[in-house]
Amino acid sequence: QKEVEQDPGPLSVPEGAIVSLNCTYSNSAFQYFMWYRQYSRKGPELLMYTYSSGNKEDGRFTAQVDKSSKYISLFIRDSQPSDSATYLCAMITNAGKSTFGDGTTLTVKP
Amino acid sequence: EAGVTQFPSHSVIEKGQTVTLRCDPISGHDNLYWYRRVMGKEIKFLLHFVKESKQDESGMPNNRFLAERTGGTYSTLKVQPAELEDSGVYFCASSQVTSGRGEQFFGPGTRLTVL
Repeated sequence: QKEVEQDPGPLSVPEGAIVSLNCTYSNSAFQYFMWYRQYSRKGPELLMYTYSSGNKEDGRFTAQVDKSSKYISLFIRDSQPSDSATYLCAMITNAGKSTFGDGTTLTVKP
Repeated sequence: EAGVTQFPSHSVIEKGQTVTLRCDPISGHDNLYWYRRVMGKEIKFLLHFVKESKQDESGMPNNRFLAERTGGTYSTLKVQPAELEDSGVYFCASSQVTSGRGEQFFGPGTRLTVL
């Protein structure tokens, strides 16, 4: 069983929709939780970074962590065509080693 | 400030040949990580340098892979001899802080194709 499972997608939504991306994990040693956005032929770009249960908001993006359920989510409000990309969740132990989900490809249609 | 750079961006080699990938981290970042994404799979950790020392190389697939970071600046990842299953995108990342609290900045990756 993988340590990190990410909802596979792909997702296709109309512009302006709310998008929900989700990951679950099994390793209790994960302390830090990230969401990356990756455009085609580019490296992952950090979007959101959290380390405690609860919500963290940054503009149209909200990251949610529930450590008791080992579940994290990323919500995108008022989605734009420029949000079309692959979204990766990642979890990090205190030692700094990242474990990634498979990624979810999102397409936002104008 | 320049980000993480990787060279080459794309390499096509034949099975049995040798390839060396290079990563230049962000200046001042002591931590350097190598990751790999094989087609259809998730990005997987290969190893972590702190300056010139290997902190964790638990993700290295086998002894055909050799990573070095002489002088604690840039790093190379050599695959010798390359096999078909080594094809994928190799990412390098760097961070200032060793613990998980440090944001890792990723390079654009090197796409390796082994024929």
